Amino acid sequence: DTAVSQTPKYLVTQMGNDKSIKCEQNLGHDTMYWYKQDSKKFLKIMFSYNNKELIINETVPNRFSPKSPDKAHLNLHINSLELGDSAVYFCASSHQRGTGTYEQYFGPGTRLTVT
Amino acid sequence: ILNVEQSPQSLHVQEGDSTNFTCSFPSSNFYALHWYRWETAKSPEALFVMTLNGDEKKKGRISATLNTKEGYSYLYIKGSQPEDSATYLCAPLYNFNKFYFGSGTKLNVKP
Repeated sequence: DTAVSQTPKYLVTQMGNDKSIKCEQNLGHDTMYWYKQDSKKFLKIMFSYNNKELIINETVPNRFSPKSPDKAHLNLHINSLELGDSAVYFCASSHQRGTGTYEQYFGPGTRLTVT
Repeated sequence: ILNVEQSPQSLHVQEGDSTNFTCSFPSSNFYALHWYRWETAKSPEALFVMTLNGDEKKKGRISATLNTKEGYSYLYIKGSQPEDSATYLCAPLYNFNKFYFGSGTKLNVKP
């Protein structure tokens, strides 16, 4: 069973379109994240939800809107796509361990190409 | 945005060599460090979670140390194997659930 899944795996779309990427985790974690892998291969955090509540919202254009219908799902909706949005987007989830530290489990990534 | 530096950026070693790389980060208000292993075309996988007690972590041939005062961590691989080839990411944690990832060290182990 896949622990953290994302759909679609590949997404090719034109500038100006609106698209969504879905993420689901079956690990029972209470925290989920969206990361963007930029052109230099850095993983940069975009959003984090804990128990369906937004707790991290980095400097991300407001065309990006996360939605968490329940603890197991965190979707990313992008309006008016731009060329610069082309990247690989990773979803992750985490749980709490012992001393309050957290390890993350990553999804397979969604490669978004905007033409 | 915090500056997390990993060095070297890439490393080529022969099978059987031992190697190590560095992660440095601001030590103020830090409370945990994660190491991840990221193989090409796959997702990052957690290797170690290192806490403020600074204990060395070990998993097979891979180990890691942490200096919480000066803000650096070393990852060691003993007797590298081709299957160790991957990018190794470090990510310090500063507040609730917020990680700052380094750019990684890309390791290539030649048979």
